[in-house]
Amino acid sequence: GAGVSQSPSNKVTEKGKDVELRCDPISGHTALYWYRQRLGQGLEFLIYFQGNSAPDKSGLPSDRFSAERTGESVSTLTIQRTQQEDSAVYLCASSLAGGRNEKLFFGSGTQLSVL
Amino acid sequence: AQSVTQLDSQVPVFEEAPVELRCNYSSSVSVYLFWYVQYPNQGLQLLLKYLSGSTLVKGINGFEAEFNKSQTSFHLRKPSVHISDTAEYFCAVSAGGYNKLIFGAGTRLAVHP
Repeated sequence: GAGVSQSPSNKVTEKGKDVELRCDPISGHTALYWYRQRLGQGLEFLIYFQGNSAPDKSGLPSDRFSAERTGESVSTLTIQRTQQEDSAVYLCASSLAGGRNEKLFFGSGTQLSVL
Repeated sequence: AQSVTQLDSQVPVFEEAPVELRCNYSSSVSVYLFWYVQYPNQGLQLLLKYLSGSTLVKGINGFEAEFNKSQTSFHLRKPSVHISDTAEYFCAVSAGGYNKLIFGAGTRLAVHP
């Protein structure tokens, strides 16, 4: 596709339920990032994938959060037993090879609301 | 560890006035610095970046930023703003082995007629 695609755009769930968020990066981009943006706050790094290397999971806030990516394709971010503090916009970004000087291309995000 | 501080959460300004959005960073290693913009109902997009060389960096839509190593700052400026510049602006630093960006909390620029 032309850009980074995320789905769903909005997700409302009940506390305690599991949710799965999807990110489809730009074709050919080997690097993929997940960020979280809470209301009124900056973006928090969650996880980084680069090709077939082990992902950098250092930003995942708890073991309820996990993410997968197969090769250089779609990634899914899963939040188990959701809590109200998980409510945020979850942003996905991709870049060509993950180099420090590269531009990140962001998706429009998934607005997650946990009731 | 790296961190980014955006000193103003909101900046109201009149159309055609100049604007400066402030950003300070902390890092014990050399950094690359970025400004991203998020227009209403759109994803973030790169405005400009500093990697090395000239400390004055020009970006899209007439924005520029100046890297000041001694003051650890990377303020964003525009000499004359338009209504269409209304957006959230994020300063970010990259100091790791890959492009793991650390973002500031953002500054909401509101341009009024």
